[in-house]
Amino acid sequence: GAVVSQHPSRVICKSGTSVKIECRSLDFQATTMFWYRQFPKQSLMLMATSNEGSKATYEQGVEKDKFLINHASLTLSTLTVTSAHPEDSSFYICSAREMPSGGAGDTQYFGPGTRLTVL
Amino acid sequence: GENVEQHPSTLSVQEGDSAVIKCTYSDSASNYFPWYKQELGKRPQLIIDIRSNVGEKKDQRIAVTLNKTAKHFSLHITETQPEDSAVYFCAARRRKTSYDKVIFGPGTSLSVIP
Repeated sequence: GAVVSQHPSRVICKSGTSVKIECRSLDFQATTMFWYRQFPKQSLMLMATSNEGSKATYEQGVEKDKFLINHASLTLSTLTVTSAHPEDSSFYICSAREMPSGGAGDTQYFGPGTRLTVL
Repeated sequence: GENVEQHPSTLSVQEGDSAVIKCTYSDSASNYFPWYKQELGKRPQLIIDIRSNVGEKKDQRIAVTLNKTAKHFSLHITETQPEDSAVYFCAARRRKTSYDKVIFGPGTSLSVIP
């Protein structure tokens, strides 16, 4: 099946610093990637939808200026957590949908996640 | 906004018994319903999915049913095994203009007791 990688898998940073997380589709092209945040023992909360070559669509309550998303190519999307604070500590997971959209393109493949800890 | 509810939040069954997890969705425009299994610290893995034009789908020990009128869908696992222990998420896909997204239920923690 399709493979999605995510880097780094784990990051610890100081409060106030910025952290960039990369999401790559390794063997397929993904026009759409999704970024989720998951707190312990909770569900995946969609943060934003990232479309290649256009601005990301953020969910209500997610700060655009704090969570910068760039989808520069059909295989790469990045999430930058700017000026991170302890409350941003979470498990961030990306997913990518294989082209074409609709029909056979319904399946989302998830990355392995990035565990962010802000001290 | 769109919402997906899931019950129960925790489920414990004896090995060999069946497990049923039920979900409801609010958006009648939803047309795709995947189920994911997530083991601790790992990524969600798609285990089965169903589209709105189908009422039931089965894959070995796993089956999913969909009632569009009631906006209900369920996951059925038969002959459960200890390795089925994980958190299961239902989800509903909502299509909206030029993009669509998948909304996840809160999850069900399944424990299969040997």
